[in-house]
Amino acid sequence: QQPVQSPQAVILREGEDAVINCSSSKALYSVHWYRQKHGEAPVFLMILLKGGEQKGHEKISASFNEKKQQSSLYLTASQLSYSGTYFCGTAAGSARQLTFGSGTQLTVLP
Amino acid sequence: DAGVIQSPRHEVTEMGQEVTLRCKPISGHNSLFWYRQTMMRGLELLIYFNNNVPIDDSGMPEDRFSAKMPNASFSTLKIQPSEPRDSAVYFCASSPDYNEQFFGPGTRLTVL
Repeated sequence: QQPVQSPQAVILREGEDAVINCSSSKALYSVHWYRQKHGEAPVFLMILLKGGEQKGHEKISASFNEKKQQSSLYLTASQLSYSGTYFCGTAAGSARQLTFGSGTQLTVLP
Repeated sequence: DAGVIQSPRHEVTEMGQEVTLRCKPISGHNSLFWYRQTMMRGLELLIYFNNNVPIDDSGMPEDRFSAKMPNASFSTLKIQPSEPRDSAVYFCASSPDYNEQFFGPGTRLTVL
């Protein structure tokens, strides 16, 4: 079952912060975050493992609430280059393949 | 490293024709994934391989779709016969350890 992302779209001014949420009805092993720019392939940003360490970029962070099966991606002091569609991908149970959410379109304006 | 390589980048074909998409994963990666992306259905996993063996093909839409990975450096996704509803961007991704996935540039398929 596909994870649910919110919001579907967000528009920011450069320097503002944003939070993107991802929730699943299944017990999750890991949550991945990817960013896709128009006409390009998704690019890995961050992975959160159940009971494990967090990995990812400096100015983009994420949390993983194992009890609620929810993850949030935090973008602070957004830059124009942050614009794109953000996808969460979840791996449930013992499976290692990802199921992706429908995406959150982020637009950063100057 | 050249990254994941996919060919062709664009394919336009007529309904009923056979289509073969190709993927070369990053050397040393032991997992390979085929995805399809459309506006309506988003990013869907079709099939994935681990050490050249198909692990889960439950996402393959129907028998018209087939995928092979004859060796660690090559995989194909074949559609026969193709239909207009198969029009989409098909991505191949590889991973060294089921964690970070590296996506190829994609093949944009248009079936007329």
